[in-house]
Amino acid sequence: GESVGLHLPTLSVQEGDNSIINCAYSNSASDYFIWYKQESGKGPQFIIDIRSNMDKRQGQRVTVLLNKTVKHLSLQIAATQPGDSAVYFCARGYSSASKIIFGSGTRLSIRP
Amino acid sequence: DTEVTQTPKHLVMGMTNKKSLKCEQHMGHRAMYWYKQKAKKPPELMFVYSYEKLSINESVPSRFSPECPNSSLLNLHLHALQPEDSALYLCASRNRATNTEAFFGQGTRLTVV
Repeated sequence: GESVGLHLPTLSVQEGDNSIINCAYSNSASDYFIWYKQESGKGPQFIIDIRSNMDKRQGQRVTVLLNKTVKHLSLQIAATQPGDSAVYFCARGYSSASKIIFGSGTRLSIRP
Repeated sequence: DTEVTQTPKHLVMGMTNKKSLKCEQHMGHRAMYWYKQKAKKPPELMFVYSYEKLSINESVPSRFSPECPNSSLLNLHLHALQPEDSALYLCASRNRATNTEAFFGQGTRLTVV
């Protein structure tokens, strides 16, 4: 199927540490993967995406790694800040259908 | 302007009511989406419009009726909803030609009583 699932529903991280959020997927049919951040009471906000033919992509304080061998995706957030508290979703994108399917989400909480 | 505007922000409706949710964007995006999100769950895709034509209907019940009057507007008409339809309804848009990032609105919090 098109499932996208996350390993852990919650993640607690000390402020200033790095956060790693993981995601597994069940097949390789999508064109790209996307990470979204959703704060309470708001719509999802795009963080970063990675095409299926790439292994790594970096943004500002974030890095996404794609391991196609084990069908695993991760989001690394450097120097986690209180403003990073949110639910993080991985999602799959299908260019031909312009379709985006969300995974189940990880809540990231920051300890002071 | 990277904003997707949804109205109303909150809506309470009875099971016999007819109401509409509205979504507007002025980014020139030709792909627009409706998602439904229940508490503590991921957004679930309902409909996709591509170049103002319905391209995907994820087996959504007919009590939800989407409409795309023009390239900037997307509506979701609601009729005879059930209490279990209460959720956050999210609209999104995207550049269909480049398939770059999708922008989401803040959602309409719908309660069916």
